Amino acid sequence: TQLLEQSPQFLSIQEGENLTVYCNSSSVFSSLQWYRQEPGEGPVLLVTVVTGGEVKKLKRLTFQFGDARKDSSLHITAAQPGDTGLYLCAGARTNAGKSTFGDGTTLTVKP
Amino acid sequence: GAVVSQHPSWVICKSGTSVKIECRSLDFQATTMFWYRQFPKQSLMLMATSNEGSKATYEQGVEKDKFLINHASLTLSTLTVTSAHPEDSSFYICSAGVPSQVAYGYTFGSGTRLTVV
Repeated sequence: TQLLEQSPQFLSIQEGENLTVYCNSSSVFSSLQWYRQEPGEGPVLLVTVVTGGEVKKLKRLTFQFGDARKDSSLHITAAQPGDTGLYLCAGARTNAGKSTFGDGTTLTVKP
Repeated sequence: GAVVSQHPSWVICKSGTSVKIECRSLDFQATTMFWYRQFPKQSLMLMATSNEGSKATYEQGVEKDKFLINHASLTLSTLTVTSAHPEDSSFYICSAGVPSQVAYGYTFGSGTRLTVV
């Protein structure tokens, strides 16, 4: 059983469209991270959320942590081809613990 | 910011041989590093937690005798794939975090593409 479930698994959209990726769990996390990975590279940290209900913005990306710290979402506004990649959420159940990764969402933004 | 260097980026080896992959934290000391394996278009699968000065902690189903991990210093962890077989071909990635900041996420190496022929 996957601790963190991401949806959708694959997403193909046109440039300029908006999208939301979800990361859900039945477990509570002390922190949750979102990463973006390009082919042949390691994941790159986008953001960390630690407080229930927290919302963080990174240019066109908006990240939200659920009030109960069990789920999170990533919203991209006006997607661009450069946003193409594998988006991964990862949760840590303790501050110094190992992270569990979601299944990942492969995003393709077509010009 | 924290930088993690992984080497080599890619390696091709013959079946039955061993391959060593290095993971270095360049500007910080890492008492703990993590090793992951990733198949195409899939997420990361944690293989083991590398602890400086002590034995690695392996995830269930990962053969410790096949995937040898050594974390002899605060800046270097190595993963050795022993007696490699074609099914060991994969993308291997390490990560590390600044000990006081791990609650805010980890830095990943650029990965190693292993192909066993």
